[in-house]
Amino acid sequence: SQELEQSPQSLIVQEGKNLTINCTSSKTLYGLYWYKQKYGEGLIFLMMLQKGGEEKSHEKITAKLDEKKQQSSLHITASQPSHAGIYLCGAGNQRYNFNKFYFGSGTKLNVKP
Amino acid sequence: GAVVSQHPSRVICKSGTSVKIECRSLDFQATTMFWYRQFPKQSLMLMATSNEGSKATYEQGVEKDKFLINHASLTLSTLTVTSAHPEDSSFYICSASARTDTQYFGPGTRLTVL
Repeated sequence: SQELEQSPQSLIVQEGKNLTINCTSSKTLYGLYWYKQKYGEGLIFLMMLQKGGEEKSHEKITAKLDEKKQQSSLHITASQPSHAGIYLCGAGNQRYNFNKFYFGSGTKLNVKP
Repeated sequence: GAVVSQHPSRVICKSGTSVKIECRSLDFQATTMFWYRQFPKQSLMLMATSNEGSKATYEQGVEKDKFLINHASLTLSTLTVTSAHPEDSSFYICSASARTDTQYFGPGTRLTVL
């Protein structure tokens, strides 16, 4: 089965600092999804990367996909307390219409005001 | 780590029938369970949150009469797709949480409605 390894497992940053979370797959990536999990709530979809080299941004969050390296990175610029939560990467076993979906173990982010 | 199972993993049904998907936490008591759906060529989206013994909270745009969620015990939640139609064909995944920050995900169920 596919394994997604995230690093770091947890992160504490001062408000205003930049940070990067990495997600590395043990197998070929058919696209990569990033989610944020708020404490006690469901997953919030952040963005989906489908092609190697693709980069997407939403507000202060940018994600990139390197299919050759089978990895993706999520970068937050000028972090704020509202960015705190658990960040998860996920991937299916096919590009579309997958019947298995795998999640990374998550990165717990705390942002100190 | 905690294990969450889903059954069935794949189901094919005729249009107009109802389909029940089970989500079980195998080695812990799940006070909260979440149901997600993957829209075609899109990511998983949260459908509803269910707490044991109470009514599920549905996300905007999700029909609660169409997708019946029951969280009758601390280890079992069910999602019933009523009067299924081809547009309900999708990948459904559940997750379970036990009073912590961590969610544990099931392997998912692929529903195909003919």
